[in-house]
Amino acid sequence: ETGVTQTPRHLVMGMTNKKSLKCEQHLGHNAMYWYKQSAKKPLELMFVYNFKEQTENNSVPSRFSPECPNSSHLFLHLHTLQPEDSALYLCASSQESSGGYEQYFGPGTRLTVT
Amino acid sequence: GQNIDQPTEMTATEGAIVQINCTYQTSGFNGLFWYQQHAGEAPTFLSYNVLDGLEEKGRFSSFLSRSKGYSYLLLKELQMKDSASYLCAVMDSNYQLIWGAGTKLIIKP
Repeated sequence: ETGVTQTPRHLVMGMTNKKSLKCEQHLGHNAMYWYKQSAKKPLELMFVYNFKEQTENNSVPSRFSPECPNSSHLFLHLHTLQPEDSALYLCASSQESSGGYEQYFGPGTRLTVT
Repeated sequence: GQNIDQPTEMTATEGAIVQINCTYQTSGFNGLFWYQQHAGEAPTFLSYNVLDGLEEKGRFSSFLSRSKGYSYLLLKELQMKDSASYLCAVMDSNYQLIWGAGTKLIIKP
């Protein structure tokens, strides 16, 4: 148990659906991240939030919309996705002010777009 | 561009030693991380190197040479549970992690 939870663990959605992924961290960290993990590819950083403020948006299509209501919760809202968006979506958190940069990951949401 | 290279897959025998290499080219350097990821699970932190040399942590050790842009993860006394993907990541000058594609390690009895 890494202290980062994600729901749902699996999601199948059509291209016209709207769904949301949820992440919660119980570690008291001040930074949260969304990553996309596709088979045999490096982790792709999508969004970074520091103290609830978005600090990174790595050219992610607008069909992905993040929301960070507080430092413990992070959402990824999905709409009109494409089949190539099928992947494992990982949430992570870290405590950057302490000088340690290791990120703690949730188990991920396996997303399939049909 | 920024690049992290590591082998796609390696096979080793239970009880043996295996070394997983990682080479990197990044804009700045603020440390190198190794993570372990079992199939269907979250990546978990293994090690962090920011200075040259060897860091030992039980059966796992990690080495860094900043001048060569090179690191390796050494796993000793391999166990079947060590079968997993091992991810190398470098923190660049903006404190963002640049990830390798991971090395799938298969342990055979």
